[in-house]
Amino acid sequence: GENVEQHPSTLSVQEGDSAVIKCTYSDSASNYFPWYKQELGKRPQLIIDIRSNVGEKKDQRIAVTLNKTAKHFSLHITETQPEDSAVYFCAASKGGSYIPTFGRGTSLIVHP
Amino acid sequence: NAGVTQTPKFQVLKTGQSMTLQCAQDMNHEYMSWYRQDPGMGLRLIHYSVGAGITDQGEVPNGYNVSRSTTEDFPLRLLSAAPSQTSVYFCASSVPGRSYEQYFGPGTRLTVT
Repeated sequence: GENVEQHPSTLSVQEGDSAVIKCTYSDSASNYFPWYKQELGKRPQLIIDIRSNVGEKKDQRIAVTLNKTAKHFSLHITETQPEDSAVYFCAASKGGSYIPTFGRGTSLIVHP
Repeated sequence: NAGVTQTPKFQVLKTGQSMTLQCAQDMNHEYMSWYRQDPGMGLRLIHYSVGAGITDQGEVPNGYNVSRSTTEDFPLRLLSAAPSQTSVYFCASSVPGRSYEQYFGPGTRLTVT
């Protein structure tokens, strides 16, 4: 089955800095790569996603890039703010499955 | 729409007890899943269902049973609780074809002593 590796497990930045979280996947048939944000005590919520026919996608301060050849994808957050502090999960799934495999999560801490 | 709801929010069990975690969704989603979340382990799939009457095992199914008699409900049964099942459990739903997004419930925090 699919295996998703996520790094780093913890990321500490100063407010205004950029943050990058990286994930790799094992199944070359995977074609959908979502990112979820989970604030403390809350449920995970989708923040951005990318499909395999796209190399990059942006939404305001967040962006995701995908390298299908290398089987890795990354989340980029620019101008970080304290409210960006949360656990971020990457995931991968393939058409017909729709059930994603999640990475282990990255705890992002943004210091004011 | 209430979205995905879960009950109870918190539960403490003794080893060997059984219980059912409830999950319901009012979005007419075909796909429903159960995950457990443990520190440093991410979200691991326990069981999932692609429609009423159809269920399948995920990554960590041992000790859990599911059934899906209606589109709306997907209960998770712990047969004989063990301390290793202490975790936060999330139910999620999605609809294939329109969006791949998983809609999560608020979670159930289970402690087994």
